Amino acid sequence: AQKVTQAQTEISVVEKEDVTLDCVYETRDTTYYLFWYKQPPSGELVFLIRRNSFDEQNEISGRYSWNFQKSTSSFNFTITASQVVDSAVYFCALSGNAGGTSYGKLTFGQGTILTVHP
Amino acid sequence: EAQVTQNPRYLITVTGKKLTVTCSQNMNHEYMSWYRQDPGLGLRQIYYSMNVEVTDKGDVPEGYKVSRKEKRNFPLILESPSPNQTSLYFCASSPNGLRGGYTFGSGTRLTVV
Repeated sequence: AQKVTQAQTEISVVEKEDVTLDCVYETRDTTYYLFWYKQPPSGELVFLIRRNSFDEQNEISGRYSWNFQKSTSSFNFTITASQVVDSAVYFCALSGNAGGTSYGKLTFGQGTILTVHP
Repeated sequence: EAQVTQNPRYLITVTGKKLTVTCSQNMNHEYMSWYRQDPGLGLRQIYYSMNVEVTDKGDVPEGYKVSRKEKRNFPLILESPSPNQTSLYFCASSPNGLRGGYTFGSGTRLTVV
């Protein structure tokens, strides 16, 4: 079975601070995909990034960066110079081929509530 | 516009009164799935469907039914809702569910009293 753990339930920072959201995953699949989603107060799920298991290159997109380390089964997300608009719930998720099927299953972590204070 | 449409957005109902939450996608995706979101538990999969007439249980299927008679529609049925089914529900679709490309609906906030 696959599992995603986000150990930080809530994080509170002041604007312009950097913040890292941790994500640790478990899977037996050799091919899998990792995702981060943002859920703002309005409730919808906003896709941020997808990473496949064969690509350990870190990625940067503006103030967002992601660090994927297969050796520690982690896929951490860092927001640089946080802003109030970054306040949201952030979910890490894993999609594997669930025992050899051609269809995957998306498993979510528990979510981290990020609050950025002015 | 490519989208997943869920209805209704909000619903308050009473225990035992059957209800259906509709989900429709316009992307010709084969894979569709229902999730419920509860505080501290993240999103948990209720049911999924790999194609028309092909459905299977997710992690928390008790108390729910689904059907996939057409590729675009994947309704979630609560035959006898109970208060523990009060939750935020999301429908999602994807070309095949593995590589992502998931599109989520806007969510349905259900309250069962």
